[in-house]
Amino acid sequence: DAKTTQPNSMESNEEEPVHLPCNHSTISGTDYIHWYRQLPSQGPEYVIHGLTSNVNNRMASLAIAEDRKSSTLILHRATLRDAAVYYCILRNSGNTPLVFGKGTRLSVIA
Amino acid sequence: DGGITQSPKYLFRKEGQNVTLSCEQNLNHDAMYWYRQDPGQGLRLIYYSQIVNDFQKGDIAEGYSVSREKKESFPLTVTSAQKNPTAFYLCASSIGDWDTDTQYFGPGTRLTVL
Repeated sequence: DAKTTQPNSMESNEEEPVHLPCNHSTISGTDYIHWYRQLPSQGPEYVIHGLTSNVNNRMASLAIAEDRKSSTLILHRATLRDAAVYYCILRNSGNTPLVFGKGTRLSVIA
Repeated sequence: DGGITQSPKYLFRKEGQNVTLSCEQNLNHDAMYWYRQDPGQGLRLIYYSQIVNDFQKGDIAEGYSVSREKKESFPLTVTSAQKNPTAFYLCASSIGDWDTDTQYFGPGTRLTVL
């Protein structure tokens, strides 16, 4: 699987939007971009995924660059419950499981 | 409620003992996975299974064994050969569509070897 690069940590104020970046310059045409997050002492949970077009769901939005070499996870109004480690993962069409990097640790300040 | 259960939540064992971690899912998922997480690190894949009676090694399979005799169950045994078994162990399952598949994770088992 192609590699992703994320900042180690980010900080946000409560109720403000958060933009979590992910670089994936070696992405292939068949790689899907997945985002998961892990709350403290819990298992990861799915957030969103996309291929080429921007995606929205009840948790977040995913903005994908036109060349697909980067993407941004957008939390529209951060809450204290959004404090977690966010993982950006590429998934290709081969039969391989998710590969987790170290992710970005998001802190939300009240 | 559908989901994944792992038991126990905390487990203590003496060095040299084998220990089996339980993972059960009632989501009717074909694929199941075991990951290990060390403090401040991401998840690393131990084993995965795409179908009953079949499983593949992940990146760090040495010192671990699994079985998949039933669709809903994927127990992990941490053997005495595992050099540093103290970690947070996470089980997951998914439908098995590799492109868009969503993995659902259990709450994890925190294993401490004394």
